Amino acid sequence: DQQVKQNSPSLSVQEGRISILNCDYTNSMFDYFLWYKKYPAEGPTFLISISSIKDKNEDGRFTVFLNKSAKHLSLHIVPSQPGDSAVYFCAARSNSGNTPLVFGKGTRLSVIA
Amino acid sequence: KAGVTQTPRYLIKTRGQQVTLSCSPISGHRSVSWYQQTPGQGLQFLFEYFSETQRNKGNFPGRFSGRQFSNSRSEMNVSTLELGDSALYLCASSLGGGGEKLFFGSGTQLSVL
Repeated sequence: DQQVKQNSPSLSVQEGRISILNCDYTNSMFDYFLWYKKYPAEGPTFLISISSIKDKNEDGRFTVFLNKSAKHLSLHIVPSQPGDSAVYFCAARSNSGNTPLVFGKGTRLSVIA
Repeated sequence: KAGVTQTPRYLIKTRGQQVTLSCSPISGHRSVSWYQQTPGQGLQFLFEYFSETQRNKGNFPGRFSGRQFSNSRSEMNVSTLELGDSALYLCASSLGGGGEKLFFGSGTQLSVL
């Protein structure tokens, strides 16, 4: 039972344009959401997070939007750069109790110069 | 501050053997989580240890086990290896208070022949 779903396995975007990565979740207890970025042969690195009390969080070129009623979040990268090419994982957890972080299957982003 | 260290980086085993993977968390972090990454399956949670006690467990068979030592270092063991156990095994640490983000190591790439 996939509680966190990233339905697009891959995405190609032109350099300088916007990249939009989507994520859906099914568990209504999730109230903290994170995005991780992973390069080959490296571990995932934290990118940005959002709490359920907010609907938007911004950090430089990266913005995460949360739509709680739709159980949907998205990561926007503007402008996209070739160095952004990586696999992006969406993750979620419930902050009540020490529950594990649940990850989606990832979306491979390719930014073409 | 040193990051999360996993050893070894690469491992080749044959079916039926057992393997032990090691993880040293970031200094001061008391929680260690283990994840399995296979192509197309994202990161699947194995277990989490906090203060030498297993705090959470994923949906993996009993062949997968782990432990944590008093210095927060953790080991993961897989017995009676199967071909399907070939994967990248990732260790992540956090302070352990709950709700915070995870910091990942580079992983151990296990190949079972």
